[in-house]
Amino acid sequence: GDSVTQMEGPVTLSEEAFLTINCTYTATGYPSLFWYVQYPGEGLQLLLKATKADDKGSNKGFEATYRKETTSFHLEKGSVQVSDSAVYFCALSPNVRGSYIPTFGRGTSLIVHP
Amino acid sequence: SAVISQKPSRDICQRGTSLTIQCQVDSQVTMMFWYRQQPGQSLTLIATANQGSEATYESGFVIDKFPISRPNLTFSTLTVSNMSPEDSSIYLCSVGDTSPGEQFFGPGTRLTVL
Repeated sequence: GDSVTQMEGPVTLSEEAFLTINCTYTATGYPSLFWYVQYPGEGLQLLLKATKADDKGSNKGFEATYRKETTSFHLEKGSVQVSDSAVYFCALSPNVRGSYIPTFGRGTSLIVHP
Repeated sequence: SAVISQKPSRDICQRGTSLTIQCQVDSQVTMMFWYRQQPGQSLTLIATANQGSEATYESGFVIDKFPISRPNLTFSTLTVSNMSPEDSSIYLCSVGDTSPGEQFFGPGTRLTVL
């Protein structure tokens, strides 16, 4: 079945450092790929998505590129802020009508120090 | 997008009791989802709730333990019955039935069972 693998956390960075959170997936066909973010005490929010190979999703300075050849969707940000401290979930969903439930990775905690 | 609220936001309960969690959406939706997020873990789908029909439960979850109501297109409840400390988790409701994989989450209910 479909699965998502994320790098284990926590990832601890200083403010303005470069961020990469690795995500690889296993799926049949050509799924859509997502990054969700969960800030402390809140539910998940969709951060960005990509629906086909070579698409780049971006939002709030975060980027991820859909790499079909390496089945990856790594999350990057050039300069993190303390307010980016959260748990980040990579997810996928088949591009099939009626298939609305994503498969989530285990989440990667990011801690940014001033 | 959708705005989702949950009640209660947190609770501490005694073993053997039951807790009902409410989920309210600001628009009419066909499908609502209930997830469990155990400490440090990813999200596990409990069930899908459609208005006017029985909820569909995922493997490992049963109606007697997690009864769900869906009386209309903007509201659902999840009851955690006969609780044990293993039920201590965050319970999240979500909606999302227009674009595969895109879901909107409530803030979660943080349940501690003593």
